Amino acid sequence: KNEVEQSPQNLTAQEGEFITINCSYSVGISALHWLQQHPGGGIVSLFMLSSGKKKHGRLIATINIQEKHSSLHITASHPRDSAVYICAVSPDSNYQLIWGAGTKLIIKP
Amino acid sequence: KAGVTQTPRYLIKTRGQQVTLSCSPISGHRSVSWYQQTPGQGLQFLFEYFSETQRNKGNFPGRFSGRQFSNSRSEMNVSTLELGDSALYLCASSSYSSTDTQYFGPGTRLTVL
Repeated sequence: KNEVEQSPQNLTAQEGEFITINCSYSVGISALHWLQQHPGGGIVSLFMLSSGKKKHGRLIATINIQEKHSSLHITASHPRDSAVYICAVSPDSNYQLIWGAGTKLIIKP
Repeated sequence: KAGVTQTPRYLIKTRGQQVTLSCSPISGHRSVSWYQQTPGQGLQFLFEYFSETQRNKGNFPGRFSGRQFSNSRSEMNVSTLELGDSALYLCASSSYSSTDTQYFGPGTRLTVL
């Protein structure tokens, strides 16, 4: 079993829909990262959080440390949100990030 | 601040050759990590350097090596290239560790023929 699991693997939705991507992990962590990778390959860090909730524009990230679970939400989704969204955790015992497999999101106009 | 730069952006090599990729982190960042990404695969961690020392290493064969210079610039080298080494190689820099925001370069796309 992977230490970081994302769901769903693939998600197709219509423009305007509310999107939720989930990330569960099994190790103790210092922080959790959400990143976005567009088809061209570039990766952008969206959020880094260790508790609670963060919001940036239409993106919201939440984390529940007790349940070892995080969610990334996109409100009023748009075709330009189409990308792979990756969850990664910073384990307590290591400097190295542990990566989820990513969620491929397609937003249709 | 300039972002993370990687050179070259594209590279074509043949089996058996060796290749060196370069990564210049954001000014002031001391941690540089390298990743391999193949089609349909997630990011596979290669290694991480901090202050010229390899701090972490992934599960890759010894053909993959790296180093970091005193100015934090990093290079990775792959010797005796195999077809399966064709991939996007990404580097990421951060201030200190994985608990800091990671900044990724655009990647080097390596094709091995």
